[in-house]
Amino acid sequence: RKEVEQDPGPFNVPEGATVAFNCTYSNSASQSFFWYRQDCRKEPKLLMSVYSSGNEDGRFTAQLNRASQYISLLIRDSKLSDSATYLCVVNGKTGGGADGLTFGKGTHLIIQP
Amino acid sequence: EPEVTQTPSHQVTQMGQEVILRCVPISNHLYFYWYRQILGQKVEFLVSFYNNEISEKSEIFDDQFSVERPDGSNFTLKIRSTKLEDSAMYFCASSEGTAREKLFFGSGTQLSVL
Repeated sequence: RKEVEQDPGPFNVPEGATVAFNCTYSNSASQSFFWYRQDCRKEPKLLMSVYSSGNEDGRFTAQLNRASQYISLLIRDSKLSDSATYLCVVNGKTGGGADGLTFGKGTHLIIQP
Repeated sequence: EPEVTQTPSHQVTQMGQEVILRCVPISNHLYFYWYRQILGQKVEFLVSFYNNEISEKSEIFDDQFSVERPDGSNFTLKIRSTKLEDSAMYFCASSEGTAREKLFFGSGTQLSVL
């Protein structure tokens, strides 16, 4: 099983739509969870941390299910500027270690006008 | 917003040559990292550095790789004898605390090994 697994997409959605991404992770010892955004050929940028209770930041909502080792991201009222690759990220890796972040390969989102 | 700066933005080298990638982390940050991303692949952890020593490294970070903080501001990644498969975008990152906190990434150095 891959350490962090995501549907690569692309997800093509019309502007204003709601879109949801899912991610599963294999390391049950992971303690920190994040969604990063990466534009083409650019560096990853933190979108939001993900907490067990779920958290919201404007149009973005993240959920964590530790029992199922599953993370989600919901984007409401999508904008053209939301077009990017969304990276699911957890700390730790198979075999231990707390410093290194393990990235998923990302889900590519295209918002269409 | 403070930022991590990396130089050069592009580096082309011949196989077997040594390269040094440079980074200036955010000034009050304590943890420093190198990640790499091969074209079309995921971002991969290489090494973390704290208190002037390596705190963790991945299987990718073999004897050909080394890191150094030569002064109070720079953080470098050296690849001693580059291979074709070292071609990738190398990202430096820093954080105030551990990877449980927000990581700030530099804009990367695109390394091409010919």
